[in-house]
Amino acid sequence: RKEVEQDPGPFNVPEGATVAFNCTYSNSASQSFFWYRQDCRKEPKLLMSVYSSGNEDGRFTAQLNRASQYISLLIRDSKLSDSATYLCVVTPTPGTYKYIFGTGTRLKVLA
Amino acid sequence: DAGITQSPRYKITETGRQVTLMCHQTWSHSYMFWYRQDLGHGLRLIYYSAAADITDKGEVPDGYVVSRSKTENFPLTLESATRSQTSVYFCASSAGAGGEQYFGPGTRLTVT
Repeated sequence: RKEVEQDPGPFNVPEGATVAFNCTYSNSASQSFFWYRQDCRKEPKLLMSVYSSGNEDGRFTAQLNRASQYISLLIRDSKLSDSATYLCVVTPTPGTYKYIFGTGTRLKVLA
Repeated sequence: DAGITQSPRYKITETGRQVTLMCHQTWSHSYMFWYRQDLGHGLRLIYYSAAADITDKGEVPDGYVVSRSKTENFPLTLESATRSQTSVYFCASSAGAGGEQYFGPGTRLTVT
């Protein structure tokens, strides 16, 4: 089993739709969780950290479910500019240098 | 506010040549990382550094050498380039272990 797994997609959604991605992780001791966005093999850009209580930033909401070992990203009112690959990142142990990257979920927002 | 920069952005080299990829950050972050990204794989860690003069291997270190004499610089050297090292290389930094990472723009390396 991979340490971090994501559905590769693509998720094709119309503008204005709500879309959600999940990311599962295998190490129950995992500590830090992040969502990154990556456009066309450009550098990954931090979208948001994921906190135990969940967090929201505008149209984006991230949730952590430790019991089921997954994190989720919800995008409301999708824009064309949201089209990108979304990477899930997990650090397995406290204070670690080792960040585990998922292979990403591709989102296409259609006009 | 330059953040984190990489040079060159594109490089074509021949098999067997030595090539160095540069990474520079202006945040004084303690941690720096080198990743490679290939189709079908997530980002894979090559080397990381916790501070100046402290480096350690990641998942795919073979064929690469790093150094970190100054906090802000973390060069990656391919001692004798091979075609399998054709990839996009990203440098990243973070203030602390397990904290948010910030990536440079990447270097697209082709080994012919």
